[in-house]
Amino acid sequence: GAVVSQHPSWVICKSGTSVKIECRSLDFQATTMFWYRQFPKQSLMLMATSNEGSKATYEQGVEKDKFLINHASLTLSTLTVTSAHPEDSSFYICSARVGGTTNEKLFFGSGTQLSVL
Amino acid sequence: SQKIEQNSEALNIQEGKTATLTCNYTNYSPAYLQWYRQDPGRGPVFLLLIRENEKEKRKERLKVTFDTTLKQSLFHITASQPADSATYLCALPLGGGNKLTFGTGTQLKVEL
Repeated sequence: GAVVSQHPSWVICKSGTSVKIECRSLDFQATTMFWYRQFPKQSLMLMATSNEGSKATYEQGVEKDKFLINHASLTLSTLTVTSAHPEDSSFYICSARVGGTTNEKLFFGSGTQLSVL
Repeated sequence: SQKIEQNSEALNIQEGKTATLTCNYTNYSPAYLQWYRQDPGRGPVFLLLIRENEKEKRKERLKVTFDTTLKQSLFHITASQPADSATYLCALPLGGGNKLTFGTGTQLKVEL
């Protein structure tokens, strides 16, 4: 199956700093990638849809200025958490759509655990 | 509003038994439903997709049913093994753009 690589796996940062998370499709091109956030014992919540070469589409309640998404190539999308605060501590997961326009085939990265001190 | 519900209580079963997990949804008629496995600290891994016109789908020890009248999917693991212990999530395409929306997941623990 398709492989989605996400880095880093975990990151600890100080409050007020910015953190960048990378999501790469290794053996396929992904025009669309998705970013999710997951709190302990809770479901994955879609944050935004990342489209190659265009602006990301954010879900209601997600601050676009805080969670910057860049999808500059067909194999890389990045999520930058700007001015991180302890409440941003969470598990962030990306996924990539494989082919077509439906979401029937999504492959997920291994996730990034962000801890903000 | 559209909701996806999975049993939040962990399911503990003995090795060799069949595990059955439930996914219920409301106020929607999805074209398909997916099941994923998620291990602690990892991203979800796709297991099975079942379409609205399919009643049942199998893959090795896994079986999924889809009852569009009851708005329910059942996920079965037969001859369960300790390695099957994980959280299992159902997901449906909801809303504009068919964005994949996940249930909260059910944790399965298979004991020796």
